[in-house]
Amino acid sequence: DGGITQSPKYLFRKEGQNVTLSCEQNLNHDAMYWYRQDPGQGLRLIYYSQIVNDFQKGDIAEGYSVSREKKESFPLTVTSAQKNPTDFYLCASMAGQGDGYTFGSGTRLTVV
Amino acid sequence: GENVEQHPSTLSVQEGDSAVIKCTYSDSASNYFPWYKQELGKRPQLIIDIRSNVGEKKDQRIAVTLNKTAKHFSLHITETQPEDSAVYFCAASMIETSGSRLTFGEGTQLTVNP
Repeated sequence: DGGITQSPKYLFRKEGQNVTLSCEQNLNHDAMYWYRQDPGQGLRLIYYSQIVNDFQKGDIAEGYSVSREKKESFPLTVTSAQKNPTDFYLCASMAGQGDGYTFGSGTRLTVV
Repeated sequence: GENVEQHPSTLSVQEGDSAVIKCTYSDSASNYFPWYKQELGKRPQLIIDIRSNVGEKKDQRIAVTLNKTAKHFSLHITETQPEDSAVYFCAASMIETSGSRLTFGEGTQLTVNP
């Protein structure tokens, strides 16, 4: 699926519950990113990681956490502090600095 | 940080016409400008990109121009076809001490009417 796989495609979360979105890549890319796609606001950066065991906050990091224990994996945890009812999350990886991204197919998260 | 503005938010053209989408960026240190196409329900796909040492780049029916002085860049699609209908995003990238990241515009919904 293009070398970068997000799962699940759809996820439902109860209020007060934390959930984790998976992102795995087999492209041997060092850098990985999480974006939230909001209608009319484009893609907004949540967290990114340039190397294993290191990551940086993006523009909308509140209510989220990440880890980067392996080069291939960059899971995103959405905590109960994140109030939006429905969001679409995109994971991406990049081969080198100043290159374009390869995106995953996305996860749509709904609060029920 | 970088701020990217994109216009228009929606664009409707007749098949065969040209379409132009414009973006401006704020940080003069930005040096890489990709364009992505996102069809309904699918992931964004890179369609063309340009680096700051180049003023124009073409790939068949699509072209991108960059004006570093004015800090704006544009996507041009000629001889539009219904399959060009999608959301298009521009982005700007700069290399920071923490690494490289893309800042995206808000997107343009392009509709090509047959």
